[in-house]
Amino acid sequence: EVQLVESGGGLVKPGGSLRLSCAASGFTFSSYSMNWVRQAPGKGLEWVSSISSSSSYIYYADSVKGRFTISRDNAKNSLYLQMNSLRAEDTAVYYCARDLGAFGFGPWGQGTLVTVSS
Amino acid sequence: NFMLTQPHSVSESPGKTVTISCTRSSGSIASNYVQWYQQRPGSAPTTVIYEDNQRPSGVPDRFSGSIDSSSNSASLTISGLKTEDEADYYCQSYDSSWVFGGGTKLTVL
Repeated sequence: EVQLVESGGGLVKPGGSLRLSCAASGFTFSSYSMNWVRQAPGKGLEWVSSISSSSSYIYYADSVKGRFTISRDNAKNSLYLQMNSLRAEDTAVYYCARDLGAFGFGPWGQGTLVTVSS
Repeated sequence: NFMLTQPHSVSESPGKTVTISCTRSSGSIASNYVQWYQQRPGSAPTTVIYEDNQRPSGVPDRFSGSIDSSSNSASLTISGLKTEDEADYYCQSYDSSWVFGGGTKLTVL
């Protein structure tokens, strides 16, 4: 069974940093592109970043470009999101999602909440 | 980039059929596959349709997807509605970037 478990969320002050992790199991992690998708409280889904299986291709939404860095460690079956210069508008639940093919997402993790507030 | 527009909410009775639309603002709906995700209250999203009309294993055949080039839109149809289908539904596609629709709240009453 595919499992994706996010961690690392919490409360951080504006301008601060946070590193999210996603531990993957139940599939060959190194064969799949991986993604981060977020959801602000009471809002819809927003794609954040994607990374190819070998880290050769990396993409960011304009809203996070230059502040967030996606990475992965295939030996540890783990995906990461380093978030710097955090803003109030980055407050959201952050989901890790496997590439579904056809530029879709699935399965999804349960999410980790990031709150940016003073 | 393009936008995907969904109705804010729809409602229907148990046992009935409901269709949720997703209209692409520019570019052809057929140029990239459309996915649909279900998100029950307090839960993570799950995929119910991928590649326009394919169901992941475990998704009942009451869920179906289609695209219509004449209206440049995609649709998610749920037949034989059950109270457990009450959720938010999001369409998603890609064209140089990954784009989600704003979501549709389905109420089954």
